[in-house]
Amino acid sequence: DGGITQSPKYLFRKEGQNVTLSCEQNLNHDAMYWYRQDPGQGLRLIYYSQIVNDFQKGDIAEGYSVSREKKESFPLTVTSAQKNPTAFYLCASSPRGGLHFNEQFFGPGTRLTVL
Amino acid sequence: SQQGEEDPQALSIQEGENATMNCSYKTSINNLQWYRQNSGRGLVHLILIRSNEREKHSGRLRVTLDTSKKSSSLLITASRAADTASYFCATDIYGNKLVFGAGTILRVKS
Repeated sequence: DGGITQSPKYLFRKEGQNVTLSCEQNLNHDAMYWYRQDPGQGLRLIYYSQIVNDFQKGDIAEGYSVSREKKESFPLTVTSAQKNPTAFYLCASSPRGGLHFNEQFFGPGTRLTVL
Repeated sequence: SQQGEEDPQALSIQEGENATMNCSYKTSINNLQWYRQNSGRGLVHLILIRSNEREKHSGRLRVTLDTSKKSSSLLITASRAADTASYFCATDIYGNKLVFGAGTILRVKS
């Protein structure tokens, strides 16, 4: 059963704490993406990775960090430097060729709340 | 600033009616894609139209693209209650990432 998974579904964090959101895919996709979605708004790109061991900043990278040590995994760390981290976080992956080239496949999301 | 802007922001129709959503963008694109998001869930890809295409169909979905006006429309025919969702257009400018609009919230009343 191929797909993209995110965990946890809900995450609560105290101010000043770092938290890591998990994203795993078994679709053999090269590219992976992290987005942030605020209520009633579209998606804003945080970081993306086209290949293992390489990643680029998106539009709102400040206060976030990522790693891409394995093709299947692209974890996102929300650091204490992110001033307003409460949001819905979405991970996506995309093939770099083939029939679905450039289409993005999304995980179910993680809702992060800062207490 | 956002590349894609959807219009209207919200749309409420009766089951069986058609729903039309529009998307405008600012710069040249490789392709434009439409996605659906049910409340609190991830996005699902609906359809992709390339910059050299003018119209594309997929089941009850019809997408048009007018590159001279930098606009696209998504038509859902014979809508169903299950079509209730948010719909987003996304533009592919560089071939390696998408820029999403703010979305249209569609409510189909049964």
